[in-house]
Amino acid sequence: QVQLVQSGSELKEPGASVKVSCKASGYNFKSYAMNWVRQAPGQRLEWMGWIDTNTGNPTNAQGFTGRFVFSLDTSVSTAYLQISTLKVEDTAVYYCVRARVREFDQWGQGTLVTVSS
Amino acid sequence: QSALTQPRSVSGSPGQSVTISCTGTSSDVGASNYVSWYQQHPGKAPKLMLYDVSDRPSGVPDRFSGSKSGNTASLTISGLQADDEADYYCCSFAGTWVVFGGGTKLTVL
Repeated sequence: QVQLVQSGSELKEPGASVKVSCKASGYNFKSYAMNWVRQAPGQRLEWMGWIDTNTGNPTNAQGFTGRFVFSLDTSVSTAYLQISTLKVEDTAVYYCVRARVREFDQWGQGTLVTVSS
Repeated sequence: QSALTQPRSVSGSPGQSVTISCTGTSSDVGASNYVSWYQQHPGKAPKLMLYDVSDRPSGVPDRFSGSKSGNTASLTISGLQADDEADYYCCSFAGTWVVFGGGTKLTVL
């Protein structure tokens, strides 16, 4: 069955970096775009952007440029989200999400990133 | 892009129907039929419930239905069940960007 399995929770200090992984299985990885969605504690879902799994070309949404980098390792069907210079306000659950056409049909289980000194 | 506007909360009794609205602009909801809805139980990942305004993925009961008029999309849940209690988010794909609604907490009384 289709699965997106994300890496485990992270606790980081402000200024550090974090890299979240998302391993896909059960489908052709290159056939679907991979998106990232953030959900701060008690807050709404926010679309961060997506990466073309064929070309590796990333597109960042407004508010998620600069410190947020999407990447791939297609040899292991894995997408990555790297956040640099972490801030306390980056504390959130980060989801990788497969886009079928214009809808998000498969979600990873989420990775909690906590930024605290 | 600003978040789509949803009511903060709605409620209904088992067996009743509830409707959750999602209001955007002529640049997002009003511009395309790529409106989807997601159900999120506490501590869980969201689940796709409707796409393309009113289409249901396999496995989603037909108690869930959707519609759109102008800049407002709606999700209707009929025959409310206890397990329907969750947060619901609308989402619009418009051009090259995606925007979610603020979320609605559905309480089954």
